[in-house]
Amino acid sequence: ETGVTQTPRHLVMGMTNKKSLKCEQHLGHNAMYWYKQSAKKPLELMFVYSLEERVENNSVPSRFSPECPNSSHLFLHLHTLQPEDSALYLCASSHYLNQPQHFGDGTRLSIL
Amino acid sequence: QQQVKQSPQSLIVQKGGISIINCAYENTAFDYFPWYQQFPGKGPALLIAIRPDVSEKKEGRFTISFNKSAKQFSLHIMDSQPGDSATYFCAASFTGSGSARQLTFGSGTQLTVLP
Repeated sequence: ETGVTQTPRHLVMGMTNKKSLKCEQHLGHNAMYWYKQSAKKPLELMFVYSLEERVENNSVPSRFSPECPNSSHLFLHLHTLQPEDSALYLCASSHYLNQPQHFGDGTRLSIL
Repeated sequence: QQQVKQSPQSLIVQKGGISIINCAYENTAFDYFPWYQQFPGKGPALLIAIRPDVSEKKEGRFTISFNKSAKQFSLHIMDSQPGDSATYFCAASFTGSGSARQLTFGSGTQLTVLP
């Protein structure tokens, strides 16, 4: 398997649930990213990890908690989400921080 | 100013026609301008990118035109095909030493190419 794989592809959860999104890259990259994509809005960068160390956190609410256990895996832990958090969550990776980013196909998240 | 303004929001073109999508930026520190293509149910895929030291870059039917003085860049799709129907995003970024390439995206253009 190649590229950037995200699971699950779809997730429906209540506001009090706890769930996690998973991203795995098979490209040998060293940097990984979480983005939020909402309808008719620009993609919003949430978090950046380089060599498992978080290097960017763009004012994201604490109900989103990232984890990067190694350079191939990235998680986004979710808890007590709000309806406005419903969106497509995209993971991306790049060889180094300043190299082109390759995106996964995203997790469509719906908050009831 | 980090914003990248993209227009039009949607575009309908006949097969064989030219599709043109425009973007404008404010931050003169931006030094990398990629375009991404996104099909329904898929993530964005890098299509073509340009740096400000050139005014045009062509890859197959896709061309980026860059106007540094006007702080504008555009994507031209020649001989547009129905398979080009997708959402296109422009983006811009700059990098300092060791810092992340933080892409600032436009809001997207939904292109429909009619057969």
